[in-house]
Amino acid sequence: NAGVTQTPKFQVLKTGQSMTLQCAQDMNHEYMSWYRQDPGMGLRLIHYSVGAGITDQGEVPNGYNVSRSTTEDFPLRLLSAAPSQTSVYFCASSYSSYLISGNTIYFGEGSWLTVV
Amino acid sequence: EDQVTQSPEALRLQEGESSSLNCSYTVSGLRGLFWYRQDPGKGPEFLFTLYSAGEEKEKERLKATLTKKESFLHITAPKPEDSATYLCAVTGNQFYFGTGTSLTVIP
Repeated sequence: NAGVTQTPKFQVLKTGQSMTLQCAQDMNHEYMSWYRQDPGMGLRLIHYSVGAGITDQGEVPNGYNVSRSTTEDFPLRLLSAAPSQTSVYFCASSYSSYLISGNTIYFGEGSWLTVV
Repeated sequence: EDQVTQSPEALRLQEGESSSLNCSYTVSGLRGLFWYRQDPGKGPEFLFTLYSAGEEKEKERLKATLTKKESFLHITAPKPEDSATYLCAVTGNQFYFGTGTSLTVIP
């Protein structure tokens, strides 16, 4: 069982560069999301999707873009990287929207991003 | 304002010394309270979901309880392998995480 798979694990970017963090899940989950984790801040929601073709903003969406063309994949794009986006990024998925039934959310292993 | 507060921020225990971690919350329309374990360099790993006050869940040396204002994660006779950061999260209108409690169990 692969679960939630994120790539790359580590990445260093220069300010202004763009890149895409990949996320894939093999559990046929409808709901997928991206979080960033910063020291003392906890996990904060960036964007989420309740199904293919549907995305919405979370708490900290600025500077990030997402799309959901398939059930399995939910890539996160950094449009023009800034040092403030240095963080650990986690992709997560659940069977259906937690807002409806409090479904358990499963996380990937994380992507460590440094913007210099 | 919806929020989740965990205490203490860090906890050091001797092996076998039982203790409790606290998660207090204010959220409109609680739909669930989750406990996760996070090891360094890893993603959060699901432990428990609690839905209503009075509910309890157990797994090995861990026991989670829920009241209307807070949840406790009780650790009985901890071992060094229980060392990790424990995260609490609640679902209301959104999914809110606390900042975690870093637990170190000393042999």
